[in-house]
Amino acid sequence: DQQVKQNSPSLSVQEGRISILNCDYTNSMFDYFLWYKKYPAEGPTFLISISSIKDKNEDGRFTVFLNKSAKHLSLHIVPSQPGDSAVYFCAASAHLTAGNKLTFGGGTRVLVKP
Amino acid sequence: EPEVTQTPSHQVTQMGQEVILRCVPISNHLYFYWYRQILGQKVEFLVSFYNNEISEKSEIFDDQFSVERPDGSNFTLKIRSTKLEDSAMYFCASRGTANTEAFFGQGTRLTVV
Repeated sequence: DQQVKQNSPSLSVQEGRISILNCDYTNSMFDYFLWYKKYPAEGPTFLISISSIKDKNEDGRFTVFLNKSAKHLSLHIVPSQPGDSAVYFCAASAHLTAGNKLTFGGGTRVLVKP
Repeated sequence: EPEVTQTPSHQVTQMGQEVILRCVPISNHLYFYWYRQILGQKVEFLVSFYNNEISEKSEIFDDQFSVERPDGSNFTLKIRSTKLEDSAMYFCASRGTANTEAFFGQGTRLTVV
């Protein structure tokens, strides 16, 4: 049961352009959403998050959009830089569940070409 | 900046042996987690720990697995009798409160031979 899905396994974008990563979820109990960046053989690094009471959160080059009715969120990176090349995971949690675990999507590998 | 630290970075063990993976979460965090990632696959939840007890565990976390927070700072994952399919990167994470970001350690690469 994949409660969090990232349907695009990979994305290639030119340096300076926008990267748009998408994520869908099925569990309506999820009320907190996060994006992580991961390099090989390293732990996930937190990028940005959004609470379900908001529909947009921005931090520098990163913006996350949440569409609760569609159960969809997206991460925009603009402008994309070669150092952004990594695997990006979206994750979701529900604060009413015991332990508030994060449920991860399968990841999207981003390649930013110079 | 506070960080989650994990030791060892790499552990090679023989099938059937016990391993203990160690983590020092961020102090004053309340929620603790173990995740794993088999090469090329998704990050999978193993167990969450809150208020000195397991709050949730996945079907992966069978009776071969256990967690402990023995001294208020360390958080350990024990696998009693390792199997080949336990080979993976194991990540520890901690979280201050319910709806905040979770911080992950750099991981322990476990190789079972």
